[in-house]
Amino acid sequence: ETGVTQTPRHLVMGMTNKKSLKCEQHLGHNAMYWYKQSAKKPLELMFVYSLEERVENNSVPSRFSPECPNSSHLFLHLHTLQPEDSALYLCASSQDVTTRGVTDTQYFGPGTRLTVL
Amino acid sequence: DQQVKQNSPSLSVQEGRISILNCDYTNSMFDYFLWYKKYPAEGPTFLISISSIKDKNEDGRFTVFLNKSAKHLSLHIVPSQPGDSAVYFCAASAGAGNKLTFGGGTRVLVKP
Repeated sequence: ETGVTQTPRHLVMGMTNKKSLKCEQHLGHNAMYWYKQSAKKPLELMFVYSLEERVENNSVPSRFSPECPNSSHLFLHLHTLQPEDSALYLCASSQDVTTRGVTDTQYFGPGTRLTVL
Repeated sequence: DQQVKQNSPSLSVQEGRISILNCDYTNSMFDYFLWYKKYPAEGPTFLISISSIKDKNEDGRFTVFLNKSAKHLSLHIVPSQPGDSAVYFCAASAGAGNKLTFGGGTRVLVKP
């Protein structure tokens, strides 16, 4: 059983809607991530949080707004999305961003399949 | 421009035989490499990793080989089992940052 859960698993929304994706990790990790996987494209990193502070923002449009209220929870708030934003959104966590200079293994949730109409 | 490429989108192999998945990268700063496996409706699961100071890492049926001069890594699964049927992603990171750059994935089908 994965230690990272995501809700909802599927979401259909119109371009004017506001919705939020939720991620929760039960692994005691300090770092959390949002990734986007579009059809026929590799996983793309969107945001990185370490100890509730954003440390990476990969030039993501402002219609995606992350929130990390504590080290166990991560949200992705969605507002006025476009159809091309339809994708699988994956959350991941790791013990830390790096440990002794080595990338920590990231553990992924099952993802939210988002469809924007 | 993709810095990590998996040029074979799919691979079919007979049960018991070896599966070889390949991954090429262009960024010479990458120094840590990982393989993830993904089943449908699940998130990627970490499989095995290798640091650039090594050229081989083995874990049970899974072995990852790294050829730094060729900027190439491969994952060997032997013997392949039907439960290995999944999409496999290679990923790479550079230096102390934890930004993972993923390849596009290779879908493996192991036939009984």
